[in-house]
Parts: sequence; structure tokens; C-alpha cells
Amino acid sequence: EDKVVQSPLSLVVHEGDTVTLNCSYEVTNFRSLLWYKQEKKAPTFLFMLTSSGIEKKSGRLSSILDKKELSSILNITATQTGDSAIYLCAVGTGTASKLTFGTGTRLQVTL
Amino acid sequence: DAGITQSPRHKVTETGTPVTLRCHQTENHRYMYWYRQDPGHGLRLIHYSYGVKDTDKGEVSDGYSVSRSKTEDFLLTLESATSSQTSVYFCAISDRTTGGTDTQYFGPGTRLTVL
Repeated sequence: EDKVVQSPLSLVVHEGDTVTLNCSYEVTNFRSLLWYKQEKKAPTFLFMLTSSGIEKKSGRLSSILDKKELSSILNITATQTGDSAIYLCAVGTGTASKLTFGTGTRLQVTL
Repeated sequence: DAGITQSPRHKVTETGTPVTLRCHQTENHRYMYWYRQDPGHGLRLIHYSYGVKDTDKGEVSDGYSVSRSKTEDFLLTLESATSSQTSVYFCAISDRTTGGTDTQYFGPGTRLTVL
């Protein structure tokens, strides 16, 4: 059974702090690892990492895939209150783009 | 945003009644998915479709059925709703033809309450 585990479950930081969110996986037929941000609505896509693209960056967010350790991290620098959300990690497997999701990390950024 | 709509957005129903949720896309994507999201479980795949009339089960398919008669529409049916099916349901779409990407884009969700 495919498994994706995220840590920590929740995190409270002050605005301006840097945070690191973790995702580890045990799956068969790994294709990709994706990060999503979910506020009080649908998940929105952040990054997709694959064997040919193990590092992605967009503004204050960056992510790295470690295929040897079967894990990924999502870094957010200079956090803002707008970064408060649940961050979901998902792993793509098989031939039908199926995703297995972790339970998410709830991030709260306070003033 | 990807052109995905879900209807209804909220529904309250009673145990034992049939319920159908609709997902409609305007992106002409081949793959469509139904997930449920519950506290402590994250998003779990119910069923998915890889083309018109082509569907398969996900990890939590018991008590659910799906149909896809057109590329743009994917229906999820609860034949006889139970309280354990109270959840938020998300539809997602994907287009593997774009560089083989696994990226899925989500609809706004349907909050279903079964009393």
C-alpha cells in the first residue's frame, strides 16, 4: 500500500520566520512528488518534482526532492500571514496520474 | 484557474437516500478524479476516469459509483447514503499529454452532510 507521511502535523511561527515542511513516501512505481497549498477551499498546485527536476523555486517558496531518502522538503522564507494554510504533499504513481496524499501540515503564521 | 465546477456546492440529505454529485470541466482533460477529504485522513481517492466510459476504483470506493458519458462530465453517486459518507468531496482533472505531468487541478468542492 502506498504511503505518504508529512511532518510536523502543525506549526505556528511568527511572521518573518523561515519554515521547513517534510514529506516522506513509500510507494511503488514513483513518478513525481507534488506540493499543494490549501486554504479554506480547494487545494492549489505549488510544485511538481520528478527525477529530472529535483529542485523548484518560486518566490519565497522552494522545494527539493531526495530520491535516495524518499523524501522532500518545502521551504518558505520570510513567512507572511497569507502563508497560513494546510500544505499537502502528494506522490504520483502508475500510469493514470493517480496521486496519494499525505494528511498535510497545518501552518499558522502570526504577527 | 482550471475550468472546473462542482454541483451542488452544499447538500444535506438523509441516510438511505441516493445522492449524485456532478463535476464539469471545460479544459478537455482526459483524466478526472473524485476524492473525499476528512480530518485526519487527508484526501483519499474514490474513483477515477481515464476517458469516456473508462473508470476505475480508488482506495475508498465502497458505497460509491461513477459514470462518465462525456469528456466534460464525471458523476459520483452514493447509492444509499450513510453518515460515514459525510465529507467534503473534491473533483480533480489532469492532462497527461502535457509533458507527462501528473499535476491535478481541483474543483471548489461539495460539502455533503448525511443525517
